[in-house]
Order: sequence, then C-alpha cells, then structure tokens
Amino acid sequence: QQQVKQSPQSLIVQKGGISIINCAYENTAFDYFPWYQQFPGKGPALLIAIRPDVSEKKEGRFTISFNKSAKQFSLHIMDSQPGDSATYFCAASRGTYKYIFGTGTRLKVLA
Amino acid sequence: DAGVIQSPRHEVTEMGQEVTLRCKPISGHNSLFWYRQTMMRGLELLIYFNNNVPIDDSGMPEDRFSAKMPNASFSTLKIQPSEPRDSAVYFCASSFGEYSYEQYFGPGTRLTVT
Repeated sequence: QQQVKQSPQSLIVQKGGISIINCAYENTAFDYFPWYQQFPGKGPALLIAIRPDVSEKKEGRFTISFNKSAKQFSLHIMDSQPGDSATYFCAASRGTYKYIFGTGTRLKVLA
Repeated sequence: DAGVIQSPRHEVTEMGQEVTLRCKPISGHNSLFWYRQTMMRGLELLIYFNNNVPIDDSGMPEDRFSAKMPNASFSTLKIQPSEPRDSAVYFCASSFGEYSYEQYFGPGTRLTVT
C-alpha cells in the first residue's frame, strides 16, 4: 500500500511532442505529489508538485494532472525539447517528510 | 545561493574499509535527509534529522551504517565496515520546516566498494 508505481520505464519523444509519464498509488492518505527531474551525475531537482485538492497544476511547459478517484497522477511535458532529456521521478508523501518515490522514467527527446 | 554541498563526489574503497560521506545543507534549512539510490531499489530514505536530532532512522540498512548531525550546517554518513553491496549513489537533501514538503537534493556521492 506504500508503493508508487511509475510508467513507462523509458520514453522516446520527438522534439516538439508531448511527453506523458504516469504514476499510481494505493494509499489514499497521501497528500502531496511532487515530480523530480534528474540529469546524469546530478541530484534530483523538484520540478512541480500538486496536492489532491486540485485536479491540475501547470508551470510553463510542465503540467500535473491528478485523478483522485483513480488514484493516479501524471506529468505532461508540452513541446518537449532535447534539454528535457532526463530521468523523472514521481513521489508521494503523507503529511510528513517521508517521500515514497516511483522507480523513474528515462526520457529521451530526439532533436 | 549555494545549494546542498556533498563531499566527496566519488569514493572508491575496498571492502572492510570505513567510509565517511559529508553534507552541508542549505543555510537556514532545519531538516536533513540521507538517501541511497541504486538501480535495483531506486531512491530510499536512510535517515531524517530535524533540528539536528535524528527523527527517523528506520531506513538505515544495518548497524554498519551511522549518521550524525553535530550542528545545523554539517552531517556525516559513515559506513563501517563497507561491503560491495553498499555501492550506490548517496544523496543528502535539506528542507525548511518540520513537515518538509519541498526537499532540495545535493549532487550526490558515488560510492564504489570493491
């Protein structure tokens, strides 16, 4: 019940396309859902986050869609660029510090 | 502003040796986290400090691992004795506040135990 399942494991998208990464969770007590972006040799960096009281949050080209009833949330990257090539992690937490991370999605955007 | 600083960035050691990883959190942050990242297990929380006090060490794999935070600007993670299965990237992260929703990660230390 503590798991966060992330898919796909890897994703290849053409420049200008839309990248979509999905996560699913079981624990309905989770109340914070961040996405982290990690470049090779770097630490994860917070990209965007959402709480379950909203269904969508947009920051620039990045959008989180949240479906509380389905217990799913997804990251959409619009107009994907080669510079977006990185590993993306979703996570969930339950009002505390303890993040449960997904397994990561390796995104490659082709020029 | 300087982010979270970790040293060394790379460490290669032989099995049985002691390894010490270091972390300087972002100034003003009062929560500090140590994570381990491997291909098999992903990102795992090892230990969490709040105001220099260890709050949750349930993720520490075994007694060979220990962590300290002697002051607000420094923390260490020690492995003694090290084993090949400890090879991983170790991240330190910090945040502000007891319920730390936004965590800021350092660049990590890549540890290889031969």
